[in-house]
Amino acid sequence: DAKTTQPPSMDCAEGRAANLPCNHSTISGNEYVYWYRQIHSQGPQYIIHGLKNNETNEMASLIITEDRKSSTLILPHATLRDTAVYYCIVRAHNYGQNFVFGPGTRLSVLP
Amino acid sequence: ETGVTQTPRHLVMGMTNKKSLKCEQHLGHNAMYWYKQSAKKPLELMFVYNFKEQTENNSVPSRFSPECPNSSHLFLHLHTLQPEDSALYLCASSGASGANVLTFGAGSRLTVL
Repeated sequence: DAKTTQPPSMDCAEGRAANLPCNHSTISGNEYVYWYRQIHSQGPQYIIHGLKNNETNEMASLIITEDRKSSTLILPHATLRDTAVYYCIVRAHNYGQNFVFGPGTRLSVLP
Repeated sequence: ETGVTQTPRHLVMGMTNKKSLKCEQHLGHNAMYWYKQSAKKPLELMFVYNFKEQTENNSVPSRFSPECPNSSHLFLHLHTLQPEDSALYLCASSGASGANVLTFGAGSRLTVL
């Protein structure tokens, strides 16, 4: 079973920041927080991951709370092409630890 | 193009047919995966291969038979499938089973009549 909880759906206006929350209250000290997204009927695409510190790349920012029990993925200027299902996954970097996908959050970016 | 190529992209087969899905990666990865995504359901991990050896079979029915001849190629052989097996089958690869990032192919959409 997935170890994360996400809202099933969210809307965001085009050009505004999209903030996608994820709860992972049972996360272990060696588990990372990953975000992937899946545009309709395509393979999931890696976005970002982090352990404790906030992370930023060209796609998004990841904000992890100090207690690591929740995180937020931020798309700073959402476009229509960001409409997708976003998956938050926690996973340790140990051999045999696989990516377990939950239902994710369906983000709709509206014009 | 992600570097993971799946063929065919679409497949329609009868319940008595035998067909195969193919996955190929040129990323130098050592681990390959099959996931199944049924309509309105999360991705389900089916099989994991590390260095050509199967390291996980997630209670998949025997009508699905994986094959990994080398670290770059992964097959899913299909026989006597059921209509409920209709789904998007996704292949992925990673540097190793504990590595950071999965890279997915575009998927093979299977319809079983």
